[in-house]
This record gives sequence, C-alpha cells and structure tokens, in this order.
Amino acid sequence: QVQLVQSGAEVKKPGSSVKVSCKASGGTFSSYAISWVRQAPGQGLEWMGRIIPILGIANYAQKFQGRVTITADKSTSTAYMELSSLRSEDTAVYYCARGTVAGTPWFDPWGQGTLVTVSS
Amino acid sequence: QSVLTQPPSVSAAPGQKVTISCSGSSSNIGNNYVSWYQQLPGTAPKLLIYDNNKRPSGIPDRFSGSKSGTSATLGITGLQTGDEADYYCGTWDSSLSARVFGGGTKLTVL
Repeated sequence: QVQLVQSGAEVKKPGSSVKVSCKASGGTFSSYAISWVRQAPGQGLEWMGRIIPILGIANYAQKFQGRVTITADKSTSTAYMELSSLRSEDTAVYYCARGTVAGTPWFDPWGQGTLVTVSS
Repeated sequence: QSVLTQPPSVSAAPGQKVTISCSGSSSNIGNNYVSWYQQLPGTAPKLLIYDNNKRPSGIPDRFSGSKSGTSATLGITGLQTGDEADYYCGTWDSSLSARVFGGGTKLTVL
C-alpha cells in the first residue's frame, strides 16, 4: 500500500517562500498524479495543483498560478510544492494526495499534512 | 465560496441514517464522477466513495454514494459516534480546469 509522508511544520515570514516535500513509499509513484490540497484553519479543502511524475508535467489552479511550483523527483519518489510571496492568508495545513492521471478525480491516499504558519 | 454546495452541518442519533447532499452544475458534477472524503478531527481526509458510488477496500457498506443530474448524495446508515467528522464531496470542474471540493459538512452523532 502506498504511503505518503510529508515534511515537518514550517514558520515563515510574510514575503518569503516555503517548500514542502511528500515522499511516497510502498507502491507505484510515477504512474499516478500527485496533487496538493490546502486547508486553512477551520476551513474547507482547496486544490492547488498537481504533477504527473512520469511526464514531469504540472497543472495549477488559477488562483495559485505564478506563485506555486510543483515538482517531482522520480529517483526518490518525492514530490515538492513551493509557494512564494507568502502572506498571512497562506497559513494552512498543506496535504499531498495521490490521484489519477486521467479519468475519475479521486484522491487516495493523503499525506499526514504539513502546517505552514506565516507570521511576522 | 466553494464551487460545490454542501449543508454546513447534519445530525442524527446513533443507529440512525443520515444523508449529505452536494450540489453543483453541468461543468462539474453534471458531467464528472464524484468522490467523498471523511476527515476525522485533527487528521487527513480519507477516501470514502469514488466514481459516484464505489467504496474502496476497507470502507464498510454503511457508507453509500449516489448521483443524479448535478447533485450527489452521501448516505451513512447505522450511525456510530466514531462517524463524527467533516465530510467533503469532490469532482473535476471543466470550466475551471481544476479539482473542486464542497465546503464540507460536519456530522454530529447525538
């Protein structure tokens, strides 16, 4: 069974960048897509974008275009999400999740989440 | 403002049945499969239903999903206190070219 393990919590200053990692173990990495979903405190889920590791192609939600970069390293089965120009509203738990490359849009499994706090 | 609309909260007694609705449009639910997720307090979401009505291995048949037109429904029977969680619907939106979620529904088992 695939497991996704994320990097630890981060505290960042406004205007800086954060890079969160997501390492897959126990199953196939490259033939699926890895999405990033965030959840602000007390709020719902928000899809940020995804990457297809075998192709190296990333797609982003319009809201995050220009500010988020999603990459993947097939050799280590690790995906990364970098968010720049951080502001207080970016304080959230960031999750990675495995999904399909094409077809039905489901996410399974999910990483444990990484809390990113943006504060001066 | 979420693209998919869910009721903020639902409640029912242990052993009873509850349904959670998810309303969208032709650009999302109307022409795409729906999935449902359970998020227990302080944990990551977990896939409950995919392809409108299929259960992943390990998900009990107390959980069911259905879709009609631009709406989807999650049903939970034989409610247990352990089912208290937030539930989210999700799908693809072709107008936005993005995965989208509902705002979430908090289930309370009284």
